[in-house]
Amino acid sequence: AQSVAQPEDQVNVAEGNPLTVKCTYSVSGNPYLFWYVQYPNRGLQFLLKYITGDNLVKGSYGFEAEFNKSQTSFHLKKPSALVSDSALYFCAVRAYSSGSARQLTFGSGTQLTVLP
Amino acid sequence: SQTIHQWPATLVQPVGSPLSLECTVEGTSNPNLYWYRQAAGRGLQLLFYSVGIGQISSEVPQNLSASRPQDRQFILSSKKLLLSDSGFYLCACSPGQGAPPLHFGNGTRLTVT
Repeated sequence: AQSVAQPEDQVNVAEGNPLTVKCTYSVSGNPYLFWYVQYPNRGLQFLLKYITGDNLVKGSYGFEAEFNKSQTSFHLKKPSALVSDSALYFCAVRAYSSGSARQLTFGSGTQLTVLP
Repeated sequence: SQTIHQWPATLVQPVGSPLSLECTVEGTSNPNLYWYRQAAGRGLQLLFYSVGIGQISSEVPQNLSASRPQDRQFILSSKKLLLSDSGFYLCACSPGQGAPPLHFGNGTRLTVT
């Protein structure tokens, strides 16, 4: 069975500082990995994905994520946080070999608060 | 790109009343469609999944049902709501089999009183 762990329920960071939201995963075979962001009372918005290739993936709004196969991690990062980045962030995984997003597993989410 | 419309945005219903939430998709044909429930603003639970008209897979046994009467229409229903049905319901689509990522609607917040 596949799983995703987001070990931090809450991450606080000062505006202008770098931010990291952690994600580790477990899946059989190669993974598809995703990050989504959710603002209050809204649906999830896709930020970025890793399928194959370069371990550093760049996404929307200046976010990037680093795939580390040996540590089974896919941490979300941004060099300089903005107050508007405050939101709930979800990591998700599915096996490369599975045929459908039906098998997508989401983490429990990390609330990011950027303090002015 | 796909656009997902969900309505209503919020709904307050008494226990035992029926439910119908609608989701329509624009900008793609023959999408895979999903209903998720998000409880307490956190974890996402997949409720139903559809690969085509009339084809519905249920992921968890529950008080809810889903239907897909048209290619880009997905409906979530209940005959009698329970208090435990309260939550944030999200419709999502993907362009086809094995084609991430998911695109989400803005959700319906259901409160059962």
